[in-house]
Amino acid sequence: AQSVTQLGSHVSVSEGALVLLRCNYSSSVPPYLFWYVQYPNQGLQLLLKYTSAATLVKGINGFEAEFKKSETSFHLTKPSAHMSDAAEYFCAVSSPAAGNKLTFGGGTRVLVKP
Amino acid sequence: GAGVSQTPSNKVTEKGKYVELRCDPISGHTALYWYRQSLGQGPEFLIYFQGTGAADDSGLPNDRFFAVRPEGSVSTLKIQRTERGDSAVYLCASSPGTQGDEQFFGPGTRLTVL
Repeated sequence: AQSVTQLGSHVSVSEGALVLLRCNYSSSVPPYLFWYVQYPNQGLQLLLKYTSAATLVKGINGFEAEFKKSETSFHLTKPSAHMSDAAEYFCAVSSPAAGNKLTFGGGTRVLVKP
Repeated sequence: GAGVSQTPSNKVTEKGKYVELRCDPISGHTALYWYRQSLGQGPEFLIYFQGTGAADDSGLPNDRFFAVRPEGSVSTLKIQRTERGDSAVYLCASSPGTQGDEQFFGPGTRLTVL
């Protein structure tokens, strides 16, 4: 079975500050890992994904995430928050053993303060 | 190009009624997924099609839920004898069909059961 835990359902950051969203996963086989973003009243959009290539993955809008197998983590970071980063962020895992279905974490809502 | 589309965008129905939710995937995508997102939670997997067949329906909550994809393109999620607990946003996603592919999500159908 696969699962995802996102620590912190809400995160508040100041504009220009570091954004750090935590994600830990459980998977019995090497996983594929994803971060999706959901802006208000919009669909889920892929930020980045890890599929067993480089462990440091760069995505859109200046976000990046590092796959750490020893810690079973895939934390998302952005060096400098922008007001437009206010949204809900979801970490998800899939694996060949579970077909292609995504298992999502509960999400982290990011508030950016001016 | 066109993304994943879902109709209707909103559906209000009464307890006990039957509803159908439609998903048009990206042209050429062989894999299609249905997820359900309740308020304040991450999406939960319902069913996955590869072509016309349901490759994994383990997420369907009970036999009131059924989905079809008769020609390997458009899919319909059918809910019989709706209950208030079925109220949620129903998300559809499609992908080319290879392991680790990005899933492209539609905007969702918000179902409200009164």
